[in-house]
Amino acid sequence: KNQVEQSPQSLIILEGKNCTLQCNYTVSPFSNLRWYKQDTGRGPVSLTIMTFSENTKSNGRYTATLDADTKQSSLHITASQLSDSASYICVVSDRGSTLGRLYFGRGTQLTVWP
Amino acid sequence: EADIYQTPRYLVIGTGKKITLECSQTMGHDKMYWYQQDPGMELHLIHYSYGVNSTEKGDLSSESTVSRIRTEHFPLTLESARPSHTSQYLCASRDSAYEQYFGPGTRLTVT
Repeated sequence: KNQVEQSPQSLIILEGKNCTLQCNYTVSPFSNLRWYKQDTGRGPVSLTIMTFSENTKSNGRYTATLDADTKQSSLHITASQLSDSASYICVVSDRGSTLGRLYFGRGTQLTVWP
Repeated sequence: EADIYQTPRYLVIGTGKKITLECSQTMGHDKMYWYQQDPGMELHLIHYSYGVNSTEKGDLSSESTVSRIRTEHFPLTLESARPSHTSQYLCASRDSAYEQYFGPGTRLTVT
């Protein structure tokens, strides 16, 4: 069964600190993995998208890593800001259909305190 | 910034009422999607469309229906709302590079 599991479920950190969010998946055949940021009451916004051959991709203070062999990804946030408080969702796409089916994790709820 | 819009943003309605959630995008994308999301849970695909006059049901069974008469417009309709329909509904469209763009969502409460 294709699944995406994220950890931790929630995380509280102080402003300025770094943190790392984890994503494990069983989706096969794998096409790409995305990290989205979803603010409360809003739609998800894409942070990064990584294909099979990419190990690391950065977007400002966000750095995503992908290990396609172990089917694991992480999202590292550097020098956190209050505006980073949001849910971070890992999404994996398969290439087994023309739909480009997406499998969503439940997200990690990050809270940044001043 | 994605040009995909949803209205209304919030809706509180009584049981048995008919409602239509609007979704429109100005990017010319053929593929559009509707997702349902409960608090703290993952998004579930309820409907998708490959283009005009094409609609399909998603993984999560839903009593809602959709239509796609124009490329830019993908409304979702509930003929008779029930409390079990209370949820957040997210519309999305996809470009040729497989990137999905989400609208801001409609939070529906059925009393």
